[in-house]
Amino acid sequence: AQTVTQSQPEMSVQEAETVTLSCTYDTSESDYYLFWYKQPPSRQMILVIRQEAYKQQNATENRFSVNFQKAAKSFSLKISDSQLGDAAMYFCAYRSAVSGTYKYIFGTGTRLKVLA
Amino acid sequence: GAVVSQHPSWVICKSGTSVKIECRSLDFQATTMFWYRQFPKQSLMLMATSNEGSKATYEQGVEKDKFLINHASLTLSTLTVTSAHPEDSSFYICSASAQPTTGLWGTQYFGPGTRLLVL
Repeated sequence: AQTVTQSQPEMSVQEAETVTLSCTYDTSESDYYLFWYKQPPSRQMILVIRQEAYKQQNATENRFSVNFQKAAKSFSLKISDSQLGDAAMYFCAYRSAVSGTYKYIFGTGTRLKVLA
Repeated sequence: GAVVSQHPSWVICKSGTSVKIECRSLDFQATTMFWYRQFPKQSLMLMATSNEGSKATYEQGVEKDKFLINHASLTLSTLTVTSAHPEDSSFYICSASAQPTTGLWGTQYFGPGTRLLVL
């Protein structure tokens, strides 16, 4: 069975600085999807970034980028120029690419605090 | 695009009553919808997966007679908590995944959640 591990329960970053959130996963599959979601105090889950395992290029979305290391089964999220609005819980998620398998495996989350 | 709504956002009910929560995909057709439960400061716990027109698949330990799920159309799924008790109080979140022919496929888009308090 697949597992997702977020080893940092909480992280802090100074406003305008850069922070990296770690995520590792375990799978025997070769094709899958990885995601980062943000959950602010409103508790609305917001998609931050998505990565297809077959793509070697790391996904980026504005100030958010990932370091996808397939062999190491690592999928870290880098937030550049951190803003107060980035403060939230961040969840890493895995989804198999096997047909008919649509559910996510979530990590336990990392709470990010942004210091003014 | 890819907006999912949930209604109601907040509900308080008496023990023993039933509560229905609606989840709608507003601008895409959702082949599959998911229902989660989230306890404070914890991750999301998948309760069930539903596909339009077929019975939901429940995760181990989730009482299907307690949490009734209906996915009647490609844009609507409902979760009914039957005979609710205080231990059912929680934050319930739905998500939707689009059809394989769309660029949104494979990604779950989440509703804003419903806070249920059973007195």
